[in-house]
Amino acid sequence: DGGITQSPKYLFRKEGQNVTLSCEQNLNHDAMYWYRQDPGQGLRLIYYSQIVNDFQKGDIAEGYSVSREKKESFPLTVTSAQKNPTAFYLCASSIGPTGTVYNQPQHFGDGTRLSIL
Amino acid sequence: AQSVTQLDSHVSVSEGTPVLLRCNYSSSYSPSLFWYVQHPNKGLQLLLKYTSAATLVKGINGFEAEFKKSETSFHLTKPSAHMSDAAEYFCVVRGYQKVTFGTGTKLQVIP
Repeated sequence: DGGITQSPKYLFRKEGQNVTLSCEQNLNHDAMYWYRQDPGQGLRLIYYSQIVNDFQKGDIAEGYSVSREKKESFPLTVTSAQKNPTAFYLCASSIGPTGTVYNQPQHFGDGTRLSIL
Repeated sequence: AQSVTQLDSHVSVSEGTPVLLRCNYSSSYSPSLFWYVQHPNKGLQLLLKYTSAATLVKGINGFEAEFKKSETSFHLTKPSAHMSDAAEYFCVVRGYQKVTFGTGTKLQVIP
């Protein structure tokens, strides 16, 4: 069954530590996205990637970094520069780049909840 | 410019009564519109989508939504609420370059 797998489900970060959230998809989708979800604020875009080895900043990229070395994988690193990392992080994918197939829905993983120790 | 407004942050209904979750949007282009559902500590699951075909869209679990261009609305309805419908619902507009999420409506179903 195709889908998106995020791991771990729960993650704890110590002061000054970088942590990496994993996102893997087997849907053969070109585009992948990272969102941050805080209560009452909906979803905010952190980074997105339309093709391998290319990615763009979203609305709240400061303190985060990503890589896209493989089509299936889009890991997110929360760096120590992100001063308020406690949130629910969601990874999503869709068939194509936003501009060409914008009527296609995004598919979501089950999220990673990050907390500060 | 593109935006989406979910008019109610919380909706409470009794089991077996109709559900109405309201969504208004604005977009410079003809947008695609989606409704997603999110259960606690889970990702978003697609309920239905509108992509300029029929204005009344049927989705999963008995939900449907009607696209009204004159009112710039895309309200989600269900004739009879079930306990399992208790969740948070997101209206999403997708334009040429951007995806915009509403802030969500939490649906409570009272037995």
